[in-house]
Amino acid sequence: EIVMTQSPATLSVSPGERATLSCRASQSVSSNLAWYQQQPGQAPRLLIYGASIRATGIPARFSGSGSGTEFTLTISILQSEDFAVYYCQQYDNWPPITFGQGTRLEIK
Amino acid sequence: QVQLQESGPGLVKPSETLSLTCAVSGYSISSGYYWGWVRQPPGKGQEWIGNIYHSGSTYLNPSLKSRVTISVDTSKNQISLKLSSVTAADTAVYHCARLAVAGFCDFWGQGTLVTVSS
Repeated sequence: EIVMTQSPATLSVSPGERATLSCRASQSVSSNLAWYQQQPGQAPRLLIYGASIRATGIPARFSGSGSGTEFTLTISILQSEDFAVYYCQQYDNWPPITFGQGTRLEIK
Repeated sequence: QVQLQESGPGLVKPSETLSLTCAVSGYSISSGYYWGWVRQPPGKGQEWIGNIYHSGSTYLNPSLKSRVTISVDTSKNQISLKLSSVTAADTAVYHCARLAVAGFCDFWGQGTLVTVSS
């Protein structure tokens, strides 16, 4: 099973600034990596797949990068609605599909 | 717009079977994609349970495989989950989701909280 590790667990950033979230895989997942955003009490929302491809309707301030075992989600100019929990997920070698434990992005 | 809605009992007794249904609207399950279940225990991350294709082919998490049944009813455009011999560790919010063939989830249901307690 591929273990996904996200860091940091909590990230405090001010609105208007840049946020950088990390995700590491225990073995290479090529570019088979997705990012999700989850607001409290809501369904997760797909942001990025293929490590860097924005899903339909996702603003350009969200960008993904990386391949192999190291990945980054960058939110360039934080808006109030961006404060949420973010998860990465690998789908390179499944079953099982595996998720990271999440990064909580909070207002500084 | 694809919408998924989970339903089922919010409380299940230990050792019994958890049963949930996911109704899909805005897309026909028979048209393709995988349809699956993901759960999130309180305060923890997401755990993939398994997927099913409209043909009935299933892919299950090895850690849960012995207790999980996922089925599809194309006439009702819904999928179902059964998890047997539940314990308190199975308490979680259960989401259904549509998955691309590659394996990422492009649409999710809101989720339903299932508590295992006597």
